[in-house]
Order: sequence, then C-alpha cells, then structure tokens
Amino acid sequence: NAGVTQTPKFQVLKTGQSMTLQCAQDMNHEYMSWYRQDPGMGLRLIHYSVGAGITDQGEVPNGYNVSRSTTEDFPLRLLSAAPSQTSVYFCASSYEAGGNYEQYFGPGTRLTVT
Amino acid sequence: AQKVTQAQTEISVVEKEDVTLDCVYETRDTTYYLFWYKQPPSGELVFLIRRNSFDEQNEISGRYSWNFQKSTSSFNFTITASQVVDSAVYFCALSDPDNYGQNFVFGPGTRLSVLP
Repeated sequence: NAGVTQTPKFQVLKTGQSMTLQCAQDMNHEYMSWYRQDPGMGLRLIHYSVGAGITDQGEVPNGYNVSRSTTEDFPLRLLSAAPSQTSVYFCASSYEAGGNYEQYFGPGTRLTVT
Repeated sequence: AQKVTQAQTEISVVEKEDVTLDCVYETRDTTYYLFWYKQPPSGELVFLIRRNSFDEQNEISGRYSWNFQKSTSSFNFTITASQVVDSAVYFCALSDPDNYGQNFVFGPGTRLSVLP
C-alpha cells in the first residue's frame, strides 16, 4: 500500500492564481481531511469528508474548495491564491474501528504564494 | 469549543535525560479521544498513541509513556533516556465522536531538541 499520497510536494503560486492540491489514499478509508500547518499554530482543519459525495467545513475553510467523487481521492482547490495561504498542507485519511478513529497523514505539500 | 494547549514551545535536553511534554485540553464532551503525533525534521507526521476518555490507564511503550489525568485535563508524554533521534516537534491532539471523529484540534506543538 502506498498509504496517503499528495502531489505536488512543492508549489509556488502568484497571488490570484488557482491550483488543485491532489490527495489519494489506497486504504479504502471512508474519511479524509485537509489540514494546514503554520509555524507555532499546529495543524488546523480546513475541510473534511465522511464519504464520497459528502464534505464539510473545518476550522479554516475560507478560500478553499473540496469535493469527493470517489473514495480514493480528495482534492483541495485554491480558487484565487493569497499570500495568507502560504503554508504546508497535509491530507489525512482515517477509518472507524470500535469507536476509535486514527488519522493517516500524507507527506505534505509546501505551498508558497508570492 | 475544544482547545489543546502545549505550553512548552521548545525544550532542549542532553541525551539520556528524561523529558516530559505537557498537554492540557479543554472539551465539554464526556467522550473524546486524545492523540500524540511526532513530526521529525523530515516533515511527516507519525502517529504515537491514541487514548479514549473512558480509559485512564497509563501506557508505556518502550522508552515512551503517557500519563492521562481527567481530573486535570492533561495527557502528558514522557520520554525516558532520550536519544538524538527523538528530536522532533510533538503534537497533542483532541477529537470527539461528532462528525465521525474528523474534527481534530491540534495543539501548537513542542519542539524537542536532544543534544548529544
């Protein structure tokens, strides 16, 4: 199993450009999430999905869109990039086992917006 | 609202010293889950432990041990006989059963440096 994969690893955007961060998992997990990590702030939840076709907002959803058309993929779209979106982005997948949920994280995408 | 506090921003120890990383959480839920993750310099997030709110038994795994105390809302992490490879940022996190456990709240992290 590849686990959770993210592409690209690094990306530089100009303000106003759009792009999609890709996330895929091959563990058949129902649940997937996107986080951003900023210095001194830990990880903050952007959006999450509890199944194909079902998404919801997390703590910091503004400026980001998601969709989940398949169990495996959960792309994160930046419609009009802003310097405030410079961050490291982590995708995670998880499953439920006896009431417990364990998150498996991807390697991250480092995004710089100039 | 849920909140996780890790008051220690950075800690430096010399190899073989014991070190405890503090985690204090806030939640109104009676059922919740607590986690510790390690982020080494390479950047990936490594799962260390999960603890349910109804299981206050402390846990030991090799050089790692965790002390969960509901009375003080704390979930502290101790590394015994630290090694240079333990140098990393450590995150404590909290989630609840709502939204299928997806609403994770992370603390700001503690950067641990273990010097040779």
